[in-house]
Amino acid sequence: AQTVTQSQPEMSVQEAETVTLSCTYDTSESNYYLFWYKQPPSRQMILVIRQEAYKQQNATENRFSVNFQKAAKSFSLKISDSQLGDTAMYFCAFMNDYSGSARQLTFGSGTQLTVLP
Amino acid sequence: DVKVTQSSRYLVKRTGEKVFLECVQDMDHENMFWYRQDPGLGLRLIYFSYDVKMKEKGDIPEGYSVSREKKERFSLILESASTNQTSMYLCASSVSYDRTSGGFGNIQYFGAGTRLSVL
Repeated sequence: AQTVTQSQPEMSVQEAETVTLSCTYDTSESNYYLFWYKQPPSRQMILVIRQEAYKQQNATENRFSVNFQKAAKSFSLKISDSQLGDTAMYFCAFMNDYSGSARQLTFGSGTQLTVLP
Repeated sequence: DVKVTQSSRYLVKRTGEKVFLECVQDMDHENMFWYRQDPGLGLRLIYFSYDVKMKEKGDIPEGYSVSREKKERFSLILESASTNQTSMYLCASSVSYDRTSGGFGNIQYFGAGTRLSVL
């Protein structure tokens, strides 16, 4: 079974600064997907960024980027130019890449990020 | 945009009551999921369904059942609610085959959650 670990329960950052959220995972599979989801106070879970394990290039989405280290099984999220709207719970998640439907997500315990004005 | 709608934002029930949590998606997705979210534990999968009338147990199915009579609707049932089932419940859906990318679907879309309190 896969496990996902987020070792930072809470973090804070000043507006306009950069912050990095950590995530490690454990798997024996070679092909998989990794995700960062954001859950703001509205509770609506939103996909932030996705990384395919077979791609060496780190994924980026505007101010959000990842540092994917496959050998170290590490998948950190960097948020640049932090904004007040980035305040949310951030979840790291893992999904196996197998040829079946209904692929399941395994989530970490989450990191509560607060952006300070 | 994909829309996943959970029928209640907040629900308060008594111990022993039968509780139904409803989830509807509007994108013709084959797969639907029920998660439970607790502080410090993240999201844990209760049950999922990959087709109408089909269901599979997730990591924590005890005390729960599900029903999927129509493709767009996935219900979570607490047969006899207990206080340890007080939690946030999240529904999600995904496509089996992503015609855009030509691969198996891997993005799950979530509802806004139902916060259930069992007294």
